[in-house]
Amino acid sequence: NAGVTQTPKFQVLKTGQSMTLQCAQDMNHNSMYWYRQDPGMGLRLIYYSASEGTTDKGEVPNGYNVSRLNKREFSLRLESAAPSQTSVYFCASLRTVDSSEQYFGPGTRLTVT
Amino acid sequence: AQKITQTQPGMFVQEKEAVTLDCTYDTSDQSYGLFWYKQPSSGEMIFLIYQGSYDEQNATEGRYSLNFQKARKSANLVISASQLGDSAMYFCAMREALPISSGSARQLTFGSGTQLTVLP
Repeated sequence: NAGVTQTPKFQVLKTGQSMTLQCAQDMNHNSMYWYRQDPGMGLRLIYYSASEGTTDKGEVPNGYNVSRLNKREFSLRLESAAPSQTSVYFCASLRTVDSSEQYFGPGTRLTVT
Repeated sequence: AQKITQTQPGMFVQEKEAVTLDCTYDTSDQSYGLFWYKQPSSGEMIFLIYQGSYDEQNATEGRYSLNFQKARKSANLVISASQLGDSAMYFCAMREALPISSGSARQLTFGSGTQLTVLP
């Protein structure tokens, strides 16, 4: 049981380049989330998907787009990377809205130069 | 105003002693959940303990307990018998309702964290 997986683990981009961060969960969870963590800070919500076919903005959505490809997969796209998007990105999933645990992936460390 | 406040950027504790990490929260929801996560230097987020707003008893998980004081809006984490492996960043988080497009969802709002160092 892999839980929540993310690819890649590390990525370096140049300003203006684009990339997609992939996330998949094998727990049949309905809700999926993308967070970013900046140095010395807690996680902030970028986008979320309450269920397959729905996506919504979180606290810091600017510069990102998402796709809930199916129930398992939730991708995050940076269309034109900026240095301010240098961060660690975590994907997470939740079985039901009132579940007592949110499962996190291992994170993707992104550097934009 | 911050929704989750962790006032201790860093804490030190002697091995085998107990330590309390502070967390206060702010919400107008009646139904919410409080979480503690551990983030070691390797970077992963490890779930420790959960307390629902309607739970009357304080949550416990092994050496971790959550001191939940609803009227004071505090949810402090108590780690008993500290071990060297407990050295890590600890985050308090609150689950509350999200605006939704369809269905329903919750988000976790995180505090800024407390760096705990266990001394031998």
